Amino acid sequence: GNSVTQMEGPVTLSEEAFLTINCTYTATGYPSLFWYVQYPGEGLQLLLKATKADDKGSNKGFEATYRKETTSFHLEKGSVQVSDSAVYFCALSTESSGANSKLTFGKGITLSVRP
Amino acid sequence: DSGVTQTPKHLITATGQRVTLRCSPRSGDLSVYWYQQSLDQGLQFLIQYYNGEERAKGNILERFSAQQFPDLHSELNLSSLELGDSALYFCASSLLNSPLHFGNGTRLTVT
Repeated sequence: GNSVTQMEGPVTLSEEAFLTINCTYTATGYPSLFWYVQYPGEGLQLLLKATKADDKGSNKGFEATYRKETTSFHLEKGSVQVSDSAVYFCALSTESSGANSKLTFGKGITLSVRP
Repeated sequence: DSGVTQTPKHLITATGQRVTLRCSPRSGDLSVYWYQQSLDQGLQFLIQYYNGEERAKGNILERFSAQQFPDLHSELNLSSLELGDSALYFCASSLLNSPLHFGNGTRLTVT
């Protein structure tokens, strides 16, 4: 079956530090990969996505590259801000057509950024 | 604002009781998904509906059921509640293969 593994948390960084959150996956077929972010008291929001190997998703200074050879989709940001403090989820979907976009999520990792 | 509305925001009830959680998807979205988020299990997919019909089932207990109505809103029914059912329940909606849009969740506390 499909699964997503995220690095253990929580992660605490100082403002302007470099961020890497590791994510690896196991899937049948050719998955699409996603990063979702959950701010306190809110639902999950799509941060970025990549649908095929070597694609790079990017948004709000965050980036992640779909690496098929290492089955990874690590999230990076060059300079984090206090407002980036949230829970980050890596996810995949293997539905390629029709109305199925069922996501398999990793356990999530909490990021806290200190001023 | 994702456009997905969930009610109620909070629900406190006793073991053995039954509750109904409600979700209104984004305008135009035909698919509705239910997820359970707990500290120990993380985000678990429960069930998906598409245009009124059940499309996929995940780790949903037999005590739980859901439906999607002709106006596309969905309800998740949880019965014979146990302490372990305490969690955040999220609804998400999407249109065909577009990414999911999540509501803010219903926090269920079973005492």
